[in-house]
Amino acid sequence: EAQVTQNPRYLITVTGKKLTVTCSQNMNHEYMSWYRQDPGLGLRQIYYSMNVEVTDKGDVPEGYKVSRKEKRNFPLILESPSPNQTSLYFCASSGWGSKPLHFGNGTRLTVT
Amino acid sequence: GESVGLHLPTLSVQEGDNSIINCAYSNSASDYFIWYKQESGKGPQFIIDIRSNMDKRQGQRVTVLLNKTVKHLSLQIAATQPGDSAVYFCAENGSGGGADGLTFGKGTHLIIQP
Repeated sequence: EAQVTQNPRYLITVTGKKLTVTCSQNMNHEYMSWYRQDPGLGLRQIYYSMNVEVTDKGDVPEGYKVSRKEKRNFPLILESPSPNQTSLYFCASSGWGSKPLHFGNGTRLTVT
Repeated sequence: GESVGLHLPTLSVQEGDNSIINCAYSNSASDYFIWYKQESGKGPQFIIDIRSNMDKRQGQRVTVLLNKTVKHLSLQIAATQPGDSAVYFCAENGSGGGADGLTFGKGTHLIIQP
């Protein structure tokens, strides 16, 4: 089944404790992206990657890092999480020239 | 600034009726539009898309209408069912960041009354 898989689905952590949210897609998509979703603000893009070893900042990149060492994986790294990063995070992917994004089922992060 | 928005945060309809969810966009350069459905606890799911060279596109029980003159997009769902209950987002390209260039609206929560 074609899908985008995120892990974990739920995560509660404390301020300053580094964490990584993994994302993997099995559709051989070139493009991958991370979003956060907050009430009243909708989906906002954090980082994106057009292909292996190519990453760029989205609209809200502060406090986040990403890497794209393999085509299928695009982990999101929070080096020093803060409470304002409490949110629902989505990873998405699409094929080159194919616009519709395929989303994972989300990771709900709480930073206390 | 440029934005994509929906007219109503919540829409309540009777089961079996048709639903119409609206979206306004402000970037006249946008040439691609998408509707997503997000059920509780899940990620957004692609429903239907339309390019600016079209006014209407139909799928299974769904129709998207694009009015470029007034920069308005709508999603029509025929014979609404309980499984249609979700938050619906429109998205457009042309004004957002990233290679996909998509900007998302904030969503309309469709509630189905029995």
